[in-house]
Amino acid sequence: QVQLQESGPGLVKPSETLSLTCAVSGSSIIGDYYWGWIRQPPGKGLEWIASTYHSGYTFYNPSLKSRVTTSVDTSKNHFSLKVNSVTAADTAVYYCTRRGDDQRAWFDPWGQGTLVTVSS
Amino acid sequence: SYELTQPPSVSVSPGQTARITCSGDALPKQYAYWYQQKPGQAPILVMYKDRERPSGIPERFSGSSSGTKVTLTISGVQAEDEADYHCHSADSTGTYIVFGGGTKLTVL
Repeated sequence: QVQLQESGPGLVKPSETLSLTCAVSGSSIIGDYYWGWIRQPPGKGLEWIASTYHSGYTFYNPSLKSRVTTSVDTSKNHFSLKVNSVTAADTAVYYCTRRGDDQRAWFDPWGQGTLVTVSS
Repeated sequence: SYELTQPPSVSVSPGQTARITCSGDALPKQYAYWYQQKPGQAPILVMYKDRERPSGIPERFSGSSSGTKVTLTISGVQAEDEADYHCHSADSTGTYIVFGGGTKLTVL
């Protein structure tokens, strides 16, 4: 059973960089899947951020692309997200998740989520 | 930018049928997926490829599609089905992933 677990600071100052890591267990990250991030501002809907293949190929939400960097560490079986120049609008629960190829393009499973608050 | 539209809320009594819709121009070309999210929890997949039910999801959940609209139907709604439901799909190119705004299902 594949499990995902997010980790990282729960509080980030405005204009700084948000950094999160997602540990993958029960599966190798070197597989035919995309590893990605989705966020949910308090009381709002879900927003896809980016999805990354183990090779490093990534596709991004165009609205966030200029501030987002993702990476995959196959030796540690985890992947990471960085969002720079954060503002209060980046306050959200951040979920890591897995997505298959075009024929398996759903998100499953999901991590439990981690709340990141942007505040001074 | 591409958008999926869901009603903000749907209310039904226990035992009735709930229908939650999701509309988008690319839905005739792209599959839709549905997630159930209960308060304080991560979403879980309840429907994939418009109408396929993952293992472990009750048979009362079903999906359908017609043109630019997909529908998640919950027959014989139970109190435990009260949750937010989110649809997900992609634009016509398949590279821009989008979620609907979510629908809060209330079981009266």
